[in-house]
Amino acid sequence: ETGVTQTPRHLVMGMTNKKSLKCEQHLGHNAMYWYKQSAKKPLELMFVYNFKEQTENNSVPSRFSPECPNSSHLFLHLHTLQPEDSALYLCASSQDWFGGYTFGSGTRLTVV
Amino acid sequence: DAKTTQPPSMDCAEGRAANLPCNHSTISGNEYVYWYRQIHSQGPQYIIHGLKNNETNEMASLIITEDRKSSTLILPHATLRDTAVYYCIVRVDRAGSYQLTFGKGTKLSVIP
Repeated sequence: ETGVTQTPRHLVMGMTNKKSLKCEQHLGHNAMYWYKQSAKKPLELMFVYNFKEQTENNSVPSRFSPECPNSSHLFLHLHTLQPEDSALYLCASSQDWFGGYTFGSGTRLTVV
Repeated sequence: DAKTTQPPSMDCAEGRAANLPCNHSTISGNEYVYWYRQIHSQGPQYIIHGLKNNETNEMASLIITEDRKSSTLILPHATLRDTAVYYCIVRVDRAGSYQLTFGKGTKLSVIP
């Protein structure tokens, strides 16, 4: 465990389902991030939260909806996804003074 | 944003030093260089970072050229468990948080 916990580890969902990914960190970090990693592609930054406020949304479709209720928890709500949204979704956190990210192990999402 | 250039793949014999190069010719004076690695289907793992001086920790050494336009990550005694994709990243400071943009990295294969 790295200090950033993601659940579930694996998720299979239909295109009409609604599901949520959860990320939790107990490192005292103030920033949290969602990344998407599709097969054979670099990691793509999706959302950035700093002190619970969303500071970046990199043109992510509205079928992905992030939520950050506090600085330790981050959710990614999913609805009406497409098969091309199948990917590894990674959560990370960081602290300003350090700047390095601590990543979770990811959620492997398959949309059928 | 400063971009980085890395060779797509490298091989290294087990027990030998692995030297992974990275070019970042457009780096700004206050931008840090970070190195991460990703073992298959896991979240990226922080290795080391630096600004101007060479750095060393228990995992690796980072050598940054005097003009800061390139750097080399050195794994002094590569093992089979070091087989991974290694990412060289220039950290971007934006809106109060620190963003890491991942490229395609170098796939390092450590050979017995």
